[in-house]
Amino acid sequence: EPEVTQTPSHQVTQMGQEVILRCVPISNHLYFYWYRQILGQKVEFLVSFYNNEISEKSEIFDDQFSVERPDGSNFTLKIRSTKLEDSAMYFCASSDTGAFFGQGTRLTVV
Amino acid sequence: GESVGLHLPTLSVQEGDNSIINCAYSNSASDYFIWYKQESGKGPQFIIDIRSNMDKRQGQRVTVLLNKTVKHLSLQIAATQPGDSAVYFCAERFPVRNYGGSQGNLIFGKGTKLSVKP
Repeated sequence: EPEVTQTPSHQVTQMGQEVILRCVPISNHLYFYWYRQILGQKVEFLVSFYNNEISEKSEIFDDQFSVERPDGSNFTLKIRSTKLEDSAMYFCASSDTGAFFGQGTRLTVV
Repeated sequence: GESVGLHLPTLSVQEGDNSIINCAYSNSASDYFIWYKQESGKGPQFIIDIRSNMDKRQGQRVTVLLNKTVKHLSLQIAATQPGDSAVYFCAERFPVRNYGGSQGNLIFGKGTKLSVKP
């Protein structure tokens, strides 16, 4: 069964450093998303991407965040200068109708 | 609004019983709904979806009911098993008119923790 894959599963970084979270969406899907989940809280929307551009973004997705689809398979989320409050699980999802999620990257900023 | 240190509602059921998990959604214009299951340390797992032109949809051991009048969604799990223990989230999607090609993003509810006693 096709699935969304994310790497790494866990990333520890120092505050102020840049991180790139990687995702391989399901191959025939056209819509891609990043969500995050702070420990014990609900899943929050960050950004959606379609046709090689951002189609929606939340207020969480500020200038420190960017997304890219550098080739036909990968979809990345970059945080330029991480803050302690960026520590969370980051989930990538792709959809045709329903959205299917990856297993997430646990980002810990120290 | 959002809560810091969210305390999830918990539903505790005996193995073999039926479970009903409820969700109130926020936007009357939402046209599509999904139930997700999330086990500890894992990503949300798609269970079942329903469009707003339907009021009931059945899957394997699961049924979703949609009441648009009161903006209420429920997930029924038949013959609940220990492997069903997880946090269950409903998600709604409302169509976005301003962005070409956008489906609209999913807005997640707060979640319910289902605990199945063997």
